[in-house]
Amino acid sequence: QITLKESGPMLVKPTQTLTLTCTFSGFSSTTRGVGVGWVRQSPGQALEWLAIIYWDDNDRYSPSLRSRATLTRDTSKKQVVLTVTNMDPVDTGTYYCVLVTNGAFSIKRPYFAHWGQGTPVTVSS
Amino acid sequence: EIVLTQSPGTLSLSPGERATLSCRASQSVSSRHLAWYQQRPGQAPRLLIYDTSSRATGIPDRFSGSGSGTDFTLTISRLEPEDFAVYYCQQYHSPRGMFGQGTKVEIK
Repeated sequence: QITLKESGPMLVKPTQTLTLTCTFSGFSSTTRGVGVGWVRQSPGQALEWLAIIYWDDNDRYSPSLRSRATLTRDTSKKQVVLTVTNMDPVDTGTYYCVLVTNGAFSIKRPYFAHWGQGTPVTVSS
Repeated sequence: EIVLTQSPGTLSLSPGERATLSCRASQSVSSRHLAWYQQRPGQAPRLLIYDTSSRATGIPDRFSGSGSGTDFTLTISRLEPEDFAVYYCQQYHSPRGMFGQGTKVEIK
């Protein structure tokens, strides 16, 4: 059974750094084609994928995050960590950890086969 | 960037009725690169359809996807009570892989 579970702070102040951890089970992040990433759902906005790290160590980031986001992976712990610097109130939303299974090729075109339950994050002073 | 427009915004139907949801892209999308998700209240989205018409594992066959180019459709043949939810399309043809704004299917 595939599970993904997010953990992290529910409240951060503007300009602070957000660190979210996704702990997963039921698959290996080094299996060909697999990617683990993050999708955000902000109030009144469309879903938006933020970042994905793939089985081959390639990573992709949404242009909307510019250079603020970093993904790291710990295969032994089965965790992926998202770090976003300089948080702003517009970054408020629910952050979902997601599993990509169609990332086998050099051109990455991800859809999201499995989702965690999500973790709410509010950015406010 | 390919922008997706979903219509209608809200669909009011009764259980047992057929639901037809539209997703229109601002540019042509390869027919392989369109997905649909369902989000029930208080839950995470769930993948229903990928590659325009392939059902994800465990998805009932009352859900079907079709389309090509810029026009795509999700059809629910007979609505069950658990199908009243919000549905999102997503294109993954362009690098940003954007989602539509969603269609809410509500009980009439």
